[in-house]
Amino acid sequence: DAGVIQSPRHEVTEMGQEVTLRCKPISGHNSLFWYRQTMMRGLELLIYFNNNVPIDDSGMPEDRFSAKMPNASFSTLKIQPSEPRDSAVYFCASSLSRLAGTTDTQYFGPGTRLTVL
Amino acid sequence: DAKTTQPTSMDCAEGRAANLPCNHSTISGNEYVYWYRQIHSQGPQYIIHGLKNNETNEMASLIITEDRKSSTLILPHATLRDTAVYYCIAATTGTASKLTFGTGTRLQVTL
Repeated sequence: DAGVIQSPRHEVTEMGQEVTLRCKPISGHNSLFWYRQTMMRGLELLIYFNNNVPIDDSGMPEDRFSAKMPNASFSTLKIQPSEPRDSAVYFCASSLSRLAGTTDTQYFGPGTRLTVL
Repeated sequence: DAKTTQPTSMDCAEGRAANLPCNHSTISGNEYVYWYRQIHSQGPQYIIHGLKNNETNEMASLIITEDRKSSTLILPHATLRDTAVYYCIAATTGTASKLTFGTGTRLQVTL
């Protein structure tokens, strides 16, 4: 399996521009997670989906951020408009979530390094 | 999810065992102990997890105390490639396990 695929790997944009990050989870996985990592705040969970439905978006910083999962094999994280403080590495992870009482190992993608000038 | 406490950093000589401690004194009965690591500039990588029994896989061993208030990750023969930040996480089970990453332990393996 190719693992979790993220694109682009690097993105440099100017303040005010729209940014779209993409993620393809591991085939057969039914949960998908978006994380953000910065030096100041570490690794933070932004939102996660189960069976394409958003379960918890409490980590999304503000309305400028939105995430979608139109099908089981694709998700996007959009920032509009982008700001310099959004500069970070954004990771996508997927897992196979089963019944309650079981554990779900998350597999992470390589990340997208976003720089907003 | 229970909060975990780890030392900020540790050193280990190559070839020796690396023992990384983690305190999770408020862990609840249905929370597992997960260990992930993050090698510089890469996404976190799953290592091992356990509930109350000791666990071993090809990467590491996990020793959980009987009261489940602490655990130790053991890398039996550390190599330079094991230099990374190691995260200990207590996570509930369910339809989607939510991981809360702390600051982890930065392990430096030296020659």
